Amino acid sequence: DAGVIQSPRHEVTEMGQEVTLRCKPISGHDYLFWYRQTMMRGLELLIYFNNNVPIDDSGMPEDRFSAKMPNASFSTLKIQPSEPRDSAVYFCASSPAVAGAPLNEQFFGPGTRLTVL
Amino acid sequence: AQSVAQPEDQVNVAEGNPLTVKCTYSVSGNPYLFWYVQYPNRGLQFLLKYITGDNLVKGSYGFEAEFNKSQTSFHLKKPSALVSDSALYFCAVRDSNSGAGSYQLTFGKGTKLSVIP
Repeated sequence: DAGVIQSPRHEVTEMGQEVTLRCKPISGHDYLFWYRQTMMRGLELLIYFNNNVPIDDSGMPEDRFSAKMPNASFSTLKIQPSEPRDSAVYFCASSPAVAGAPLNEQFFGPGTRLTVL
Repeated sequence: AQSVAQPEDQVNVAEGNPLTVKCTYSVSGNPYLFWYVQYPNRGLQFLLKYITGDNLVKGSYGFEAEFNKSQTSFHLKKPSALVSDSALYFCAVRDSNSGAGSYQLTFGKGTKLSVIP
């Protein structure tokens, strides 16, 4: 398996623009997680899905952020409008289920480095 | 609430010497503990975990960690450090008492390990 795939790897945009980050989880994994990593705040969980359904989005910072998972092999994280403070590395991770719960050995993608000017 | 602390931002060790990266945690129930490693421009990779059983857990690349319930610690260790071990290390915890359906991992801020040739 190719592992978790994220695109783009780097994104530079201007304040106010819409940004869409994409993730393809490992085939067969039931859980998908979106994280944000910054120097100041470390690694933060934004939202996670189970079988394409959002389970906990309490980490989503504002209404400007939205995430979808239309099918088992694709998820998007959208920021609209983007702001300079959104600059960070965004990671997608997936995990298989064991007895209905994620294994917690999450498999991370390479991340998308977002810069908002 | 679950939390984890990595008291050292950076650890420097000479190649061939033993290394320790510290982690302490706080949970209301029993802890599920994890170590992940992040190499530059890469996503996090799972190293090892403690769920139950033997307090000494062995993981990938010769790393091991010792669970100490009385000290609420889960320090990462390796008997002989390699230059290639230089990376960012994250400790993570999940509380067994977290609500049904809540599978969040809380990550520490990370410790940068530098192994000096």
